[in-house]
Amino acid sequence: GEDVEQSLFLSVREGDSSVINCTYTDSSSTYLYWYKQEPGAGLQLLTYIFSNMDMKQDQRLTVLLNKKDKHLSLRIADTQTGDSAIYFCAESGGKLIFGQGTELSVKP
Amino acid sequence: DGGITQSPKYLFRKEGQNVTLSCEQNLNHDAMYWYRQDPGQGLRLIYYSQIVNDFQKGDIAEGYSVSREKKESFPLTVTSAQKNPTAFYLCASSAGGWDTEAFFGQGTRLTVV
Repeated sequence: GEDVEQSLFLSVREGDSSVINCTYTDSSSTYLYWYKQEPGAGLQLLTYIFSNMDMKQDQRLTVLLNKKDKHLSLRIADTQTGDSAIYFCAESGGKLIFGQGTELSVKP
Repeated sequence: DGGITQSPKYLFRKEGQNVTLSCEQNLNHDAMYWYRQDPGQGLRLIYYSQIVNDFQKGDIAEGYSVSREKKESFPLTVTSAQKNPTAFYLCASSAGGWDTEAFFGQGTRLTVV
């Protein structure tokens, strides 16, 4: 069945790197997405990766995709307090399926 | 500015009442979606519409209804049949199907009192 799994919480210190992990089940997914949600707001697309890619880098963000293990990760370099939010991964294999979200807390 | 607008931001409903949440977009997007968000459960799809005058049930459609009479608008009605309606509701739109970027509104927080 369709299922996207994420750990619920991650806490890091300002300046460190954050790594948020995600596993998905639909191998037919064409795109995999990372969305960011700030408190009381909607979701904002951060980045996405096409399923035939292994890695995508966009400024402080690095997405790694392991298709064999159906594992997706988002690395945020030099994490800032403004990065504190909930991060959702999503797969698009027929319809957009979201994980539960990982709440990132950045401590000064 | 182009975007997707949900209203109201906060909504209170008495038990047994129907209530309608508004979602409007001026992005000229064909597809629109409604999600429900509960703490620790991610987003669950309620209804979606890929084109005007057509819509499909998502994973948790029971107790909800929608219409898509205009491309710009996709209102969601939470009926009295929805047993646990208190949640954060998110509307989204995209240019095409599921493989295109979804743009989200700011959400409506519905509380049953």
